[in-house]
Amino acid sequence: AQSVTQLDSQVPVFEEAPVELRCNYSSSVSVYLFWYVQYPNQGLQLLLKYLSGSTLVKGINGFEAEFNKSQTSFHLRKPSVHISDTAEYFCAGTSGTYKYIFGTGTRLKVLA
Amino acid sequence: DAGVIQSPRHEVTEMGQEVTLRCKPISGHDYLFWYRQTMMRGLELLIYFNNNVPIDDSGMPEDRFSAKMPNASFSTLKIQPSEPRDSAVYFCASSLSGEQYFGPGTRLTVT
Repeated sequence: AQSVTQLDSQVPVFEEAPVELRCNYSSSVSVYLFWYVQYPNQGLQLLLKYLSGSTLVKGINGFEAEFNKSQTSFHLRKPSVHISDTAEYFCAGTSGTYKYIFGTGTRLKVLA
Repeated sequence: DAGVIQSPRHEVTEMGQEVTLRCKPISGHDYLFWYRQTMMRGLELLIYFNNNVPIDDSGMPEDRFSAKMPNASFSTLKIQPSEPRDSAVYFCASSLSGEQYFGPGTRLTVT
């Protein structure tokens, strides 16, 4: 079955600390992988995408993610978070069609 | 580009009324998606179009929901009659080359 699993529903972290948001996928959605961010009362904004090539993908706002085929993971990382990074983050995958499979989201809360 | 435009941004209506949500995709995009987001069910794909043709409507919850795309620059999602359980944020997204671009959403409240 196609699935994208975000292992943490909430992640609290102090400002300027590093963060990792975890995402695992089933092999049937591994063709393309994405991370989106949703700020309060806004739509989803694309952070980064993996289509092929280098397994380390850099996105906007200092975020990066690593595609790991052996562990079927696509974790999102940032070395130093800011208060403004507080938002909900969604991992998504597709098997090559335009129909995304979304994870349930991880709420990142950055503490002062 | 202005991005994906949705209207209205907020809609409050009474149970039984008809509700129409509107979406203008990014110019040149050939895929359009309608999603619903709730706390309980997360983000759900309702229906998507390619070149104005509905491709997959398996996520439409029931016959009270319908969607149309009369041309490449406009789509509607209609709920008739509306029920309190339809209260949610409805997003429209468009795509050209795989990545989807989302609109700001319409927050629907049915009382």
